[in-house]
Amino acid sequence: GENVEQHPSTLSVQEGDSAVIKCTYSDSASNYFPWYKQELGKGPQLIIDIRSNVGEKKDQRIAVTLNKTAKHFSLHITETQPEDSAVYFCAASRTGNQFYFGTGTSLTVIP
Amino acid sequence: GAGVSQSPSNKVTEKGKDVELRCDPISGHTALYWYRQRLGQGLEFLIYFQGNSAPDKSGLPSDRFSAERTGESVSTLTIQRTQQEDSAVYLCASSFSGTGAYEQYFGPGTRLTVT
Repeated sequence: GENVEQHPSTLSVQEGDSAVIKCTYSDSASNYFPWYKQELGKGPQLIIDIRSNVGEKKDQRIAVTLNKTAKHFSLHITETQPEDSAVYFCAASRTGNQFYFGTGTSLTVIP
Repeated sequence: GAGVSQSPSNKVTEKGKDVELRCDPISGHTALYWYRQRLGQGLEFLIYFQGNSAPDKSGLPSDRFSAERTGESVSTLTIQRTQQEDSAVYLCASSFSGTGAYEQYFGPGTRLTVT
């Protein structure tokens, strides 16, 4: 089955700096890669996703890059704000029915 | 509009008892997913429904776990003879289509504690 690894497990940045979270996957047939933000006591919320036919996608301060050859994808948050503090999860899916999640990154943005 | 709702929000049960967790998906969403999230860990896939059928039950950890969905709406996850290792947050998500082409909307989860 698919194996998704996520690094780092914790990340602290100063407000205004950039944050980068990286994930690798094992199944070369995976073709959909969403990123979720989970705030304390809430369910995960999709913040951005990318499909295997695209190398990069950007939405305001958030961007995701995908390297199919190396089987890794990354989340980039620029101009971080305190409200970006949360746990972020990457996921990979091949069938669109079953999603494999990384173990999460706890991001703290220091004001 | 209303999002995915789950009940109860918290459940404390004694080892060996059965529990039922409920998920109300967004109206019109055909796909429904159950995940388990242990403390400080990622989401572990349990089961997926397309309509009322479950084409993929491979994630259910043991035969103590079962799930059903009726009327292409409400789903119930049942854990029989609960064990302490079942303690976790159980998350439900729904999407418009099971093809993965659409966003999964998650509920707030049910925190299960087995004493």
